[in-house]
Amino acid sequence: EVVMTQSPATLSVSPGERATLSCRASQSVSSHLAWYQQKPGQAPRLLIYGVSTRATGVPARFSGSGSGTEFTLTISSLQSEDFAVYYCQQYNNLPQTFGQGTKVEIK
Amino acid sequence: EVQLVESGGGLVQPGGSLRLSCAASGFTFSNYWMHWVRQAPGKGLVWVSRINSDGSSRTYADSVQGRFTISRDNARNTLYLEMNGLRAEDTAVYYCTRHRYVEYFQYWGQGTLVTVSS
Repeated sequence: EVVMTQSPATLSVSPGERATLSCRASQSVSSHLAWYQQKPGQAPRLLIYGVSTRATGVPARFSGSGSGTEFTLTISSLQSEDFAVYYCQQYNNLPQTFGQGTKVEIK
Repeated sequence: EVQLVESGGGLVQPGGSLRLSCAASGFTFSNYWMHWVRQAPGKGLVWVSRINSDGSSRTYADSVQGRFTISRDNARNTLYLEMNGLRAEDTAVYYCTRHRYVEYFQYWGQGTLVTVSS
């Protein structure tokens, strides 16, 4: 199966700062890469699909980039509601696989 | 409004069985593939199983193959997960989700907690 590796495990950021999260695939997943946000006690929320397309209602401060095996989620100016855990997911190969998550915490 | 509502979780002993349900509303259920994804306490997301729109094709993660069975009732707009031979490592919140053309997951239920313990 395709192994998804996210880094860093934890990212400490001050409100208003930029956050850059990385996701690496063990083999090419083409453009079949999504990002999710999860807050404690809640279901995941789809943020980005197809590497860079924002889901409905997702603010423009969230952006995705990359291709093949290296991907990035950027949050341009962190708001209080953005502190959460973020997961990447590849859906190019079965089984779909998720990264282990990056926790974005308040610095 | 799309809604997915899981139920059926609870405490079960190792080796036991449980059936989860996911009631769907707000969309044409029979047009969508449906999935189960689980999350162990404090851990990440793991895909478990999927079923195609008419129920004729089912796929499982290796970790549950032969123990879990996914099914659906399109007349009742309901997805099921029959879990047998439960192990401690099956302890998790189980979410149902859907896709139509591409397998990313826009809508999720709130999840149902399964605890396998003696």
